[in-house]
Amino acid sequence: DAKTTQPNSMESNEEEPVHLPCNHSTISGTDYIHWYRQLPSQGPEYVIHGLTSNVNNRMASLAIAEDRKSSTLILHRATLRDAAVYYCILRDRAGNNRKLIWGLGTSLAVNP
Amino acid sequence: DAGVTQSPTHLIKTRGQQVTLRCSPISGHKSVSWYQQVLGQGPQFIFQYYEKEERGRGNFPDRFSARQFPNYSSELNVNALLLGDSALYLCASSWTSGGSDTQYFGPGTRLTVL
Repeated sequence: DAKTTQPNSMESNEEEPVHLPCNHSTISGTDYIHWYRQLPSQGPEYVIHGLTSNVNNRMASLAIAEDRKSSTLILHRATLRDAAVYYCILRDRAGNNRKLIWGLGTSLAVNP
Repeated sequence: DAGVTQSPTHLIKTRGQQVTLRCSPISGHKSVSWYQQVLGQGPQFIFQYYEKEERGRGNFPDRFSARQFPNYSSELNVNALLLGDSALYLCASSWTSGGSDTQYFGPGTRLTVL
């Protein structure tokens, strides 16, 4: 199964960059790396996704290792609203969700 | 445009009862997925539907069933409720069922089984 490993928790200060790591050593060539975040009492929110190349959007950047066995979500300037649980998941190209596994994610605390 | 909507917001049932949860996807989205999220855990995949056909099923017993209607809305049914079915049930919609497609989640239905 397509499994990811993330630290349970991380802490950052407001307006500083945050690097959230994710290991996915069993990734297959057709797996997309997706990041979602979930605020308390809300459904998950899409952050970013990529396949091989690094990706940027208005929310964050995704750095993917050359061997694709790990990736890092980068929040360039953390705000208090970024405090959430961040999930790194793998989805295969065909969207075969039978292998989809969401772990416990990383709980990010942002200090003012 | 409205996001993914789910109803009801909260629900309390007793063991052995049956429950139906509803989801309306974002306009134009043809795929709906259902997830169960137990407190303190990540979401667990239950079902995915695309164009009214089941495209995937997670490791859940046959007490769980779902369907998608011609307007792409969806229902999740759970029979013979157990205490362990207490959870947040999330619905997510996307344009297609492909792995590169973004899923948009609703706020969830909080089910409590007593």
